[in-house]
Amino acid sequence: AQTVTQSQPEMSVQEAETVTLSCTYDTSENNYYLFWYKQPPSRQMILVIRQEAYKQQNATENRFSVNFQKAAKSFSLKISDSQLGDTAMYFCAFMKPNTDKLIFGTGTRLQVFP
Amino acid sequence: AAGVIQSPRHLIKEKRETATLKCYPIPRHDTVYWYQQGPGQDPQFLISFYEKMQSDKGSIPDRFSAQQFSDYHSELNMSSLELGDSALYFCASSRNSGASTDTQYFGPGTRLTVL
Repeated sequence: AQTVTQSQPEMSVQEAETVTLSCTYDTSENNYYLFWYKQPPSRQMILVIRQEAYKQQNATENRFSVNFQKAAKSFSLKISDSQLGDTAMYFCAFMKPNTDKLIFGTGTRLQVFP
Repeated sequence: AAGVIQSPRHLIKEKRETATLKCYPIPRHDTVYWYQQGPGQDPQFLISFYEKMQSDKGSIPDRFSAQQFSDYHSELNMSSLELGDSALYFCASSRNSGASTDTQYFGPGTRLTVL
């Protein structure tokens, strides 16, 4: 069975600084998909970024980028120029191809301070 | 851009009552997914539908059932409610593009409280 581990329950960063959130996963699959979702205090689940395992290039979305290390089964999220609005719970998620089930980690609560 | 709509946003029920949660996917999305997020927990996949047929099934209790209608909206029916059913219920939708995995976009959730 696939598992997703987020070892940092809480992180904090000062506005405009950079922070990296860690995520590791366990799978025997060769092809799969990885996601980062953000859940602000409103509890809405918002897609941040998506990575296909067959792509070697790391995904980027504006201030958000990932460091995908397939051999190490690691998928960290880097947030550059942190903003107060980035304060949220961040969930790493895994999905096998041809399935509908997102498997989430336990989340990392990020606090951005002024 | 239009998002996933869920109704109601909040629901309070007594034990042993029934509840129906509704989900309206993003326009032109044909697949819906249901997740349950307990207090302080990560979301857990319940069930999904594609073109009105059940597509995948997770840890959904037998007391729960769901369906997708011809207009692609979906309803999650929950019977014999228990205190442990209190949670945030998310619906997500995606458009089946033929790719092996389509990104799921989540609605705002329905907060169910069972007293």
